[in-house]
Amino acid sequence: GENVEQHPSTLSVQEGDSAVIKCTYSDSASNYFPWYKQELGKRPQLIIDIRSNVGEKKDQRIAVTLNKTAKHFSLHITETQPEDSAVYFCAASYGNQFYFGTGTSLTVIP
Amino acid sequence: KAGVTQTPRYLIKTRGQQVTLSCSPISGHRSVSWYQQTPGQGLQFLFEYFSETQRNKGNFPGRFSGRQFSNSRSEMNVSTLELGDSALYLCASSPDPGGSPLHFGNGTRLTVT
Repeated sequence: GENVEQHPSTLSVQEGDSAVIKCTYSDSASNYFPWYKQELGKRPQLIIDIRSNVGEKKDQRIAVTLNKTAKHFSLHITETQPEDSAVYFCAASYGNQFYFGTGTSLTVIP
Repeated sequence: KAGVTQTPRYLIKTRGQQVTLSCSPISGHRSVSWYQQTPGQGLQFLFEYFSETQRNKGNFPGRFSGRQFSNSRSEMNVSTLELGDSALYLCASSPDPGGSPLHFGNGTRLTVT
Protein backbone atom coordinates (compact mmCIF):
# COMPACT_ATOMS: atom_id res chain seq x y z
CA GLY A 1 0.00 0.00 0.00
CA GLU A 2 0.86 3.67 -0.07
CA ASN A 3 3.36 5.10 2.41
CA VAL A 4 3.60 8.83 3.01
CA GLU A 5 6.53 10.33 4.89
CA GLN A 6 6.47 13.91 6.11
CA HIS A 7 9.32 16.12 7.32
CA PRO A 8 10.06 17.89 9.53
CA SER A 9 7.88 16.82 12.43
CA THR A 10 8.30 20.22 14.10
CA LEU A 11 9.19 23.57 12.60
CA SER A 12 9.68 26.97 14.21
CA VAL A 13 10.02 30.12 12.14
CA GLN A 14 10.07 33.83 12.83
CA GLU A 15 7.03 35.79 11.76
CA GLY A 16 7.49 36.95 8.18
CA ASP A 17 9.84 34.11 7.24
CA SER A 18 8.94 31.24 4.93
CA ALA A 19 8.13 27.68 5.96
CA VAL A 20 8.55 24.56 3.84
CA ILE A 21 7.15 21.12 4.62
CA LYS A 22 8.07 18.12 2.49
CA CYS A 23 6.34 14.82 1.83
CA THR A 24 7.27 11.74 -0.15
CA TYR A 25 4.96 8.97 -1.31
CA SER A 26 5.57 5.48 -2.58
CA ASP A 27 2.69 4.54 -4.89
CA SER A 28 2.96 6.01 -8.36
CA ALA A 29 -0.80 5.45 -8.80
CA SER A 30 -1.54 8.23 -6.29
CA ASN A 31 -2.93 11.18 -8.19
CA TYR A 32 -4.34 13.63 -5.68
CA PHE A 33 -2.33 15.40 -2.98
CA PRO A 34 -4.14 17.62 -0.46
CA TRP A 35 -2.74 19.52 2.49
CA TYR A 36 -4.69 19.96 5.70
CA LYS A 37 -4.23 22.39 8.58
CA GLN A 38 -5.36 21.38 12.04
CA GLU A 39 -5.45 23.96 14.79
CA LEU A 40 -5.44 22.79 18.39
CA GLY A 41 -8.73 21.11 19.26
CA LYS A 42 -10.20 21.66 15.82
CA ARG A 43 -10.92 19.58 12.75
CA PRO A 44 -8.41 19.25 9.90
CA GLN A 45 -9.26 21.71 7.15
CA LEU A 46 -8.15 21.63 3.54
CA ILE A 47 -5.84 24.52 2.69
CA ILE A 48 -4.60 23.59 -0.78
CA ASP A 49 -4.46 20.57 -3.04
CA ILE A 50 -2.82 19.50 -6.27
CA ARG A 51 -3.50 16.80 -8.82
CA SER A 52 -0.89 14.74 -10.59
CA ASN A 53 -1.29 16.54 -13.91
CA VAL A 54 -0.13 19.83 -12.37
CA GLY A 55 3.36 20.72 -11.13
CA GLU A 56 2.60 23.74 -8.99
CA LYS A 57 -0.38 25.54 -7.50
CA LYS A 58 -0.51 28.79 -5.56
CA ASP A 59 -3.14 30.44 -3.40
CA GLN A 60 -2.03 33.76 -1.92
CA ARG A 61 0.73 32.96 0.61
CA ILE A 62 0.46 29.20 0.17
CA ALA A 63 1.88 27.11 -2.65
CA VAL A 64 2.29 23.42 -3.32
CA THR A 65 4.76 21.81 -5.71
CA LEU A 66 4.68 18.24 -7.01
CA ASN A 67 7.49 16.21 -8.54
CA LYS A 68 5.90 13.01 -9.86
CA THR A 69 9.18 11.52 -11.00
CA ALA A 70 10.74 11.81 -7.56
CA LYS A 71 7.41 11.15 -5.83
CA HIS A 72 7.58 14.14 -3.55
CA PHE A 73 5.49 17.21 -2.93
CA SER A 74 6.00 20.24 -0.75
CA LEU A 75 4.01 22.96 0.98
CA HIS A 76 5.42 26.47 0.96
CA ILE A 77 4.07 29.21 3.22
CA THR A 78 5.49 32.69 2.68
CA GLU A 79 5.30 35.71 4.98
CA THR A 80 4.24 33.53 7.88
CA GLN A 81 1.91 34.92 10.53
CA PRO A 82 1.18 33.74 14.09
CA GLU A 83 -2.20 32.39 12.93
CA ASP A 84 -0.33 29.98 10.66
CA SER A 85 0.73 28.09 13.80
CA ALA A 86 -0.92 24.66 13.60
CA VAL A 87 -0.26 21.06 12.63
CA TYR A 88 -0.08 20.48 8.88
CA PHE A 89 -0.79 17.12 7.27
CA CYS A 90 0.00 16.06 3.73
CA ALA A 91 -1.87 13.22 2.07
CA ALA A 92 -1.69 11.12 -1.06
CA SER A 93 -4.70 9.41 -2.53
CA TYR A 94 -5.89 7.21 -5.32
CA GLY A 95 -9.66 7.01 -5.59
CA ASN A 96 -10.95 7.86 -2.15
CA GLN A 97 -8.37 6.08 -0.02
CA PHE A 98 -6.21 8.74 1.57
CA TYR A 99 -2.85 8.12 3.23
CA PHE A 100 -1.66 10.86 5.55
CA GLY A 101 1.74 11.92 6.70
CA THR A 102 2.38 12.05 10.44
CA GLY A 103 2.08 15.83 10.56
CA THR A 104 4.30 18.88 11.04
CA SER A 105 3.77 21.12 14.03
CA LEU A 106 4.50 24.65 12.81
CA THR A 107 5.12 27.43 15.31
CA VAL A 108 5.39 31.01 14.08
CA ILE A 109 7.21 33.16 16.61
CA PRO A 110 5.98 36.79 16.72
CA LYS B 1 -24.61 24.03 4.22
CA ALA B 2 -24.16 22.25 7.52
CA GLY B 3 -20.79 20.59 7.97
CA VAL B 4 -19.99 17.03 8.91
CA THR B 5 -21.57 16.23 12.26
CA GLN B 6 -20.18 13.62 14.62
CA THR B 7 -21.81 12.42 17.81
CA PRO B 8 -21.02 12.12 20.59
CA ARG B 9 -18.09 14.53 21.03
CA TYR B 10 -16.67 12.65 24.01
CA LEU B 11 -16.96 9.08 25.24
CA ILE B 12 -15.44 7.30 28.20
CA LYS B 13 -15.63 3.51 28.18
CA THR B 14 -13.96 0.68 30.04
CA ARG B 15 -11.96 -2.16 28.54
CA GLY B 16 -14.07 -4.90 27.05
CA GLN B 17 -17.06 -2.69 26.30
CA GLN B 18 -18.21 -1.75 22.84
CA VAL B 19 -18.96 1.66 21.39
CA THR B 20 -20.85 3.12 18.43
CA LEU B 21 -19.93 6.45 16.86
CA SER B 22 -22.15 8.33 14.45
CA CYS B 23 -21.41 10.58 11.49
CA SER B 24 -23.75 12.68 9.37
CA PRO B 25 -22.07 13.86 6.16
CA ILE B 26 -22.56 17.14 4.37
CA SER B 27 -25.83 17.11 2.46
CA GLY B 28 -25.26 15.59 -0.97
CA HIS B 29 -22.02 13.86 -0.01
CA ARG B 30 -22.25 10.13 -0.54
CA SER B 31 -18.76 9.03 0.44
CA VAL B 32 -17.92 8.74 4.14
CA SER B 33 -14.58 7.66 5.54
CA TRP B 34 -13.29 7.18 9.06
CA TYR B 35 -9.87 7.92 10.53
CA GLN B 36 -8.22 7.28 13.86
CA GLN B 37 -5.99 10.11 15.08
CA THR B 38 -3.41 9.54 17.80
CA PRO B 39 -0.49 11.79 18.78
CA GLY B 40 2.24 9.52 17.49
CA GLN B 41 0.55 7.97 14.48
CA GLY B 42 -1.22 10.86 12.82
CA LEU B 43 -4.34 10.01 10.85
CA GLN B 44 -4.82 6.31 10.17
CA PHE B 45 -7.42 5.22 7.61
CA LEU B 46 -10.09 2.90 8.99
CA PHE B 47 -12.62 2.44 6.17
CA GLU B 48 -14.59 4.19 3.48
CA TYR B 49 -18.21 3.79 2.45
CA PHE B 50 -19.99 4.85 -0.69
CA SER B 51 -23.63 4.08 -1.47
CA GLU B 52 -23.88 1.81 1.58
CA THR B 53 -20.94 -0.32 0.44
CA GLN B 54 -17.56 -0.54 2.10
CA ARG B 55 -15.10 0.22 -0.67
CA ASN B 56 -11.83 0.30 1.21
CA LYS B 57 -10.60 -0.88 4.58
CA GLY B 58 -7.45 0.08 6.43
CA ASN B 59 -5.19 -2.14 8.47
CA PHE B 60 -7.26 -2.41 11.63
CA PRO B 61 -8.51 -5.55 13.43
CA GLY B 62 -11.98 -6.91 12.87
CA ARG B 63 -13.13 -5.31 16.15
CA PHE B 64 -13.50 -2.14 14.09
CA SER B 65 -16.51 -2.17 11.82
CA GLY B 66 -18.82 0.28 10.19
CA ARG B 67 -21.84 0.74 8.02
CA GLN B 68 -23.55 3.35 5.94
CA PHE B 69 -27.25 3.95 5.65
CA SER B 70 -29.31 4.91 2.61
CA ASN B 71 -29.24 8.58 3.69
CA SER B 72 -25.39 8.41 3.67
CA ARG B 73 -25.15 8.66 7.46
CA SER B 74 -22.52 6.30 8.81
CA GLU B 75 -21.79 4.54 12.06
CA MET B 76 -18.59 3.03 13.32
CA ASN B 77 -18.48 0.32 15.95
CA VAL B 78 -15.59 -0.86 18.07
CA SER B 79 -16.09 -4.03 20.09
CA THR B 80 -14.08 -5.41 22.99
CA LEU B 81 -12.39 -2.09 23.62
CA GLU B 82 -8.70 -1.98 24.47
CA LEU B 83 -6.71 0.80 26.14
CA GLY B 84 -4.94 1.42 22.83
CA ASP B 85 -8.23 2.32 21.17
CA SER B 86 -8.19 5.66 22.99
CA ALA B 87 -8.01 8.23 20.23
CA LEU B 88 -9.82 10.92 18.32
CA TYR B 89 -12.03 9.32 15.66
CA LEU B 90 -12.61 11.57 12.69
CA CYS B 91 -15.25 11.14 10.06
CA ALA B 92 -14.86 12.79 6.66
CA SER B 93 -17.26 13.11 3.77
CA SER B 94 -16.81 13.90 0.09
CA PRO B 95 -19.22 14.14 -2.84
CA ASP B 96 -17.93 11.01 -4.57
CA PRO B 97 -15.13 8.46 -4.34
CA GLY B 98 -13.12 10.02 -7.10
CA GLY B 99 -10.46 11.79 -5.10
CA SER B 100 -12.46 14.82 -4.02
CA PRO B 101 -11.36 16.84 -1.01
CA LEU B 102 -12.32 15.38 2.35
CA HIS B 103 -14.43 17.47 4.72
CA PHE B 104 -13.82 16.46 8.32
CA GLY B 105 -16.10 16.50 11.32
CA ASN B 106 -14.95 17.64 14.76
CA GLY B 107 -14.37 14.07 15.83
CA THR B 108 -15.33 11.87 18.74
CA ARG B 109 -12.77 11.70 21.54
CA LEU B 110 -12.83 8.13 22.90
CA THR B 111 -11.12 7.35 26.17
CA VAL B 112 -10.83 3.73 27.26
CA THR B 113 -10.02 3.12 30.92
